[in-house]
Amino acid sequence: EIVLTQSPGTLSLPPGERATLSCRASQRVSSSYLAWYQQKPGQAPRLLIYGASSRATGIPDRFSGSGSGTDFTLAISRLEPEDSAVYYCQQYGDSPTFGQGTKVEIK
Amino acid sequence: QVQVIQSGSELKEPGTSVKVSCKASGYTFTTHTVVWVRQAPGQGLEWMGWINTHTGIPTYAQGFTRRFVFSLDTSVSTAYLQINSLKTEDTAMYYCAREGDGDFAPLDHWGQGTLVTVSS
Repeated sequence: EIVLTQSPGTLSLPPGERATLSCRASQRVSSSYLAWYQQKPGQAPRLLIYGASSRATGIPDRFSGSGSGTDFTLAISRLEPEDSAVYYCQQYGDSPTFGQGTKVEIK
Repeated sequence: QVQVIQSGSELKEPGTSVKVSCKASGYTFTTHTVVWVRQAPGQGLEWMGWINTHTGIPTYAQGFTRRFVFSLDTSVSTAYLQINSLKTEDTAMYYCAREGDGDFAPLDHWGQGTLVTVSS
């Protein structure tokens, strides 16, 4: 099983700043089958990024994904209050797994 | 437009069973795998497994091989999750989600979640 480790656990930033979230895999992620999801309190997760760097439908270009192999990054530029959420990475290869999440607080 | 609608919250006693439904619309149901994800209170997302909506064959992740059953009724575009012999530790939000196009795909549409509470 591929273990995904996200860091930091919590990120507190003011509006307008840039957030950088990390997702590190215990083994190489096949063909960049790496996705990022956003989950706001009381809501279901929402797909943001797939294939490590492709934005899902309707996702603003403030969200960008990068990386390959075992190291992946989600960047959120020009932070807005509505970006407060927990962000999860997921590898969707043979035995899919999720990371434990990074909480982003906009203060 | 694609929609995934789950059944409402359930309160069950330990040892009983629960069946959660997940109704899809806006696309051909049998062309996309349905995945189940568990989220315990205050915790992260946990992959439970999936069901191939074309063949009806379920695949369970480790830890979900005994008391958990995935099934379908393709005539009403609905997937089901049944949990037998409920334990208090089964208390969680259960999500179903549609897997996107291709053999390996992310979860592009999610249900709103069904809260299952197990308590005596």
